[in-house]
Amino acid sequence: DAGVIQSPRHEVTEMGQEVTLRCKLISGHNSLFWYRQTMMRGLELLIYFNNNVPIDDSGMPEDRFSAKMPNASFSTLKIQPSEPRDSAVYFCASSPSGGVSSYEQYFGPGTRLTVT
Amino acid sequence: AQKVTQAQTEISVVEKEDVTLDCVYETRDTTYYLFWYKQPPSGELVFLIRRNSFDEQNEISGRYSWNFQKSTSSFNFTITASQVVDSAVYFCALTRGLNAGNNRKLIWGLGTSLAVNP
Repeated sequence: DAGVIQSPRHEVTEMGQEVTLRCKLISGHNSLFWYRQTMMRGLELLIYFNNNVPIDDSGMPEDRFSAKMPNASFSTLKIQPSEPRDSAVYFCASSPSGGVSSYEQYFGPGTRLTVT
Repeated sequence: AQKVTQAQTEISVVEKEDVTLDCVYETRDTTYYLFWYKQPPSGELVFLIRRNSFDEQNEISGRYSWNFQKSTSSFNFTITASQVVDSAVYFCALTRGLNAGNNRKLIWGLGTSLAVNP
């Protein structure tokens, strides 16, 4: 079975540009997590969806960041306008529905974002 | 409040040595789940194990073993006969159990960087 799919794998953009990161959940999973990882701050949860509904968005840095789940298997994270301090690796993770396994998160390969 | 502490920032061992990665957690919940994840140099985060708070049995999977002790709020990870391929950053994490309803948010430790040298 395919794992979590993220695109693009690498993104280099200039300050002020809009950036859209994409994530496809594992089939049958119904929870979606967006994380950001930097050397300075470690792994930070940005937002978490369950059944397409945002459950916890307390980690979203500011209004420049927005996330959507237009359907049960796909999500986007948009940064507009991007700034150099947004440079990080962005991970998407999904969890299965139901039972104790629903607490397990399975990560995609990440998108390395560089904003110059 | 919940918290996960991985006091060892970096560990360096020689191949074939045994190594234990420490994880201490804080929670007020009576049910919770603990996890270990591995992040090799390639960057992806790999799920290793989930442990339920009501199950204190230790677990062994090949060269990996986990020791869960509620009395000391610890969930330590031991690699026996380490290999170069074990070099990675290892993260311990905690989530609320049934008390949290629908919230599956993980509380992460800062990670322990393990270098296994030939």
